[in-house]
Amino acid sequence: GESVGLHLPTLSVQEGDNSIINCAYSNSASDYFIWYKQESGKGPQFIIDIRSNMDKRQGQRVTVLLNKTVKHLSLQIAATQPGDSAVYFCAEIIPPTGNQFYFGTGTSLTVIP
Amino acid sequence: DAGVIQSPRHEVTEMGQEVTLRCKPISGHDYLFWYRQTMMRGLELLIYFNNNVPIDDSGMPEDRFSAKMPNASFSTLKIQPSEPRDSAVYFCASSLRRFSTNEKLFFGSGTQLSVL
Repeated sequence: GESVGLHLPTLSVQEGDNSIINCAYSNSASDYFIWYKQESGKGPQFIIDIRSNMDKRQGQRVTVLLNKTVKHLSLQIAATQPGDSAVYFCAEIIPPTGNQFYFGTGTSLTVIP
Repeated sequence: DAGVIQSPRHEVTEMGQEVTLRCKPISGHDYLFWYRQTMMRGLELLIYFNNNVPIDDSGMPEDRFSAKMPNASFSTLKIQPSEPRDSAVYFCASSLRRFSTNEKLFFGSGTQLSVL
């Protein structure tokens, strides 16, 4: 069956350093991916997305990289700040559903001041 | 817009009691989703609606769970009778269109349910 998994359940980084959160997916037919950030006591919030016809997409301080060859997704956060501490989820859309996100279990990022 | 609004934020109940969770999606959104989040299983889709019609309820764990969407601005998720293993955070989310058009999913703040 389909699965979206994260390599590391927890990640600690020093404030100001760059963070890299990884995600593996199993279905090569997945065509759309999203990273969500979930702060304590809140619902997940959209960070950045990428379609399968792209390898890289940049946002404000965040970059998502997609390697379809090895079915791997990563989220890079530049100059990590204390406010970046949260759980990060990757999610994929697998055709032909088009309406359902399959979420990974999440990586907890802790930023050390 | 106030975003997706869920109530209550916290619910503590005893096993066997009926629990009703409520959701108000973002105005104009055509899709509404109910998710359950636990440490063990992460975010699981329970059911989703399109234009108030249930489309896929294959994620609903048992007949004890039911969901309704009587109009475009309101949905409920009901558990009757509740059991301790139902304890989780339940999220409601909405979106404007199918994700294949790159529409994003907007989540509410969730309902923390504890069944004793």
